[in-house]
Amino acid sequence: AQSVTQLGSHVSVSEGALVLLRCNYSSSVPPYLFWYVQYPNQGLQLLLKYTSAATLVKGINGFEAEFKKSETSFHLTKPSAHMSDAAEYFCAVSDYGNEKLTFGTGTRLTIIP
Amino acid sequence: DAGVIQSPRHEVTEMGQEVTLRCKPISGHDYLFWYRQTMMRGLELLIYFNNNVPIDDSGMPEDRFSAKMPNASFSTLKIQPSEPRDSAVYFCASSSAQGSTDTQYFGPGTRLTVL
Repeated sequence: AQSVTQLGSHVSVSEGALVLLRCNYSSSVPPYLFWYVQYPNQGLQLLLKYTSAATLVKGINGFEAEFKKSETSFHLTKPSAHMSDAAEYFCAVSDYGNEKLTFGTGTRLTIIP
Repeated sequence: DAGVIQSPRHEVTEMGQEVTLRCKPISGHDYLFWYRQTMMRGLELLIYFNNNVPIDDSGMPEDRFSAKMPNASFSTLKIQPSEPRDSAVYFCASSSAQGSTDTQYFGPGTRLTVL
């Protein structure tokens, strides 16, 4: 069964610094990979998704992620953190033809002024 | 377009009472998902429907939980009887017929507290 591991349940970065949130996946078939963001007291919102097209995926709010098969990784990055990026971020995986998403445990991002 | 609508947003009830959570998916979406989020277990898929038919309910914790989708625009998740360990945020999400390549759109959630 597919799964994702998010390294670091809490990450703090200074405003303007690089954001790097780590996600590694385990899947027996080529996966589809997603990053979702959850702001306080809200539902999850899609940031970006990888569906076997380009390995570098650009999403909303300046975020991007790179699919690296050799490292089984799909890390999320943003060159310059903004205060509004403070939220919880979830990596998720699904297999083609399987509508189920399996979510990671989440990473809470704190931005230091 | 309105997003996924859930009601109520907050529910406080006493142990043993019946609880019904409601969801209206985005119009035209064929898939509907129910999730539960807790600090201990994270985000768990409980059940999902395709064209109003339950496809996978393996995540439903026990017989106290049941879900229905009587039509394309409405679904319920019922807990009877409720227990304190059911306290969580319950999310409904919907997506279109393209399945896993399509985005799941989440509702704002229902925060359930069972005393």
